[in-house]
Amino acid sequence: QSVLTQPPSASGTPGQRVTISCSGGGSNIGTNTVNWYQQFPGAAPKLLIYSSDQRPSGVPDRFSGSKSGTSASLAISGLQSDDAAHYYCAVWDENLNGFFFGGGTKLTVL
Amino acid sequence: EVQILESGGGSVQPGGSLILSCAVSGFSLETYAMSWVRLAPGKGLEWVSGISNNGGSIYYSDSVKGRFTISRDNSKDTLYLQMTSLRAEDTAVYYCARDWRWLVQGRLVYWGQGTLVTVSS
Repeated sequence: QSVLTQPPSASGTPGQRVTISCSGGGSNIGTNTVNWYQQFPGAAPKLLIYSSDQRPSGVPDRFSGSKSGTSASLAISGLQSDDAAHYYCAVWDENLNGFFFGGGTKLTVL
Repeated sequence: EVQILESGGGSVQPGGSLILSCAVSGFSLETYAMSWVRLAPGKGLEWVSGISNNGGSIYYSDSVKGRFTISRDNSKDTLYLQMTSLRAEDTAVYYCARDWRWLVQGRLVYWGQGTLVTVSS
């Protein structure tokens, strides 16, 4: 069973706002900040959000992150066709003493 | 410009061994923690191992503990992953990634393009 749970898929139409959830536990999301990664097929992952709600330079402000308790969310507003990708949450787990990715969410732009 | 280049991937039989290398440039390896992350066919990202800037802290996922060894040679700006007792489920693209500072925290700011490891008879 995964440490972090994400929906396997999400979808939206251009211009819409979509959110992707990430559910964990007290020893991971409940204790540490969450990072989000974006990955296109055949490409390396890219850091999209760090420290739960911070954007690296160059990441559009259409992407935002939040955390509450043992859950985190990634929101994408003004959805664009080239946002279609896999999105992963990731966090350090204090009990398991390791770093974990969620199962990933495949975003489809209809 | 930061560059990360993995090498050493290939095909190996179950039970075999392989050593991956990760050469970096554009920054001093001794300043940063590094991790290996893999993507198996049809699966999601899996963090494999991480090492602090000076090698003083090393971590492994349960799936590779006891079989894989991470190491680094800061004088050569190179990270390694020694893989033994390989299994079919180790088949994946292996990425080398740099953390944002000296501790293993999983804020992986820079990534290589990956090297493919295939374990099959």
